[in-house]
Amino acid sequence: DAGVIQSPRHEVTEMGQEVTLRCKPISGHDYLFWYRQTMMRGLELLIYFNNNVPIDDSGMPEDRFSAKMPNASFSTLKIQPSEPRDSAVYFCASSPAASTNEKLFFGSGTQLSVL
Amino acid sequence: GDSVTQMEGPVTLSEEAFLTINCTYTATGYPSLFWYVQYPGEGLQLLLKATKADDKGSNKGFEATYRKETTSFHLEKGSVQVSDSAVYFCALSDQGGSEKLVFGKGTKLTVNP
Repeated sequence: DAGVIQSPRHEVTEMGQEVTLRCKPISGHDYLFWYRQTMMRGLELLIYFNNNVPIDDSGMPEDRFSAKMPNASFSTLKIQPSEPRDSAVYFCASSPAASTNEKLFFGSGTQLSVL
Repeated sequence: GDSVTQMEGPVTLSEEAFLTINCTYTATGYPSLFWYVQYPGEGLQLLLKATKADDKGSNKGFEATYRKETTSFHLEKGSVQVSDSAVYFCALSDQGGSEKLVFGKGTKLTVNP
């Protein structure tokens, strides 16, 4: 299996632009998570899905952020409009239905820089 | 709410030195505890885990013991290698079956030859 696949690996954009991050989870995994990693705040859970349904989005920082999972093999995290403080590494992770926290597989992340 | 506190890094050691990375937690109930490792340019990987008090998790020469009395889960390795250079994250999930993991801020380890 190729693992969790994220794209792009790096994104540089200007303030005010729309940014879309993409994730393909491991086939057969029912849970998908979006995390954000910064030096100041560490690793934060933004939102997670179970069977394509958003379960908890309490970590989404504000209305500029939105996430979708239209099917079991694809999810997007969108920031519109982007701001410099959104610069971070964004990780997607997936997990099978059982033992969620013990079988969490992370993608390699998207390094986002908003100028 | 639940939280995890790790020792501040970075930590720099010579090859074959002993490693300890401290981790303490605050949680209601009896959480499961984890150590994740992040190698340069990669996502996090589960290193080891412990699900109840006095359990010892171990993997690749690393070990950590779930100490309920001190609310700690310190990571140790007797002899580090250059290939152990990475960022290490302590994490917990609560007993209530939440799918959320709460992570510490991470400790960067550099091992020099």
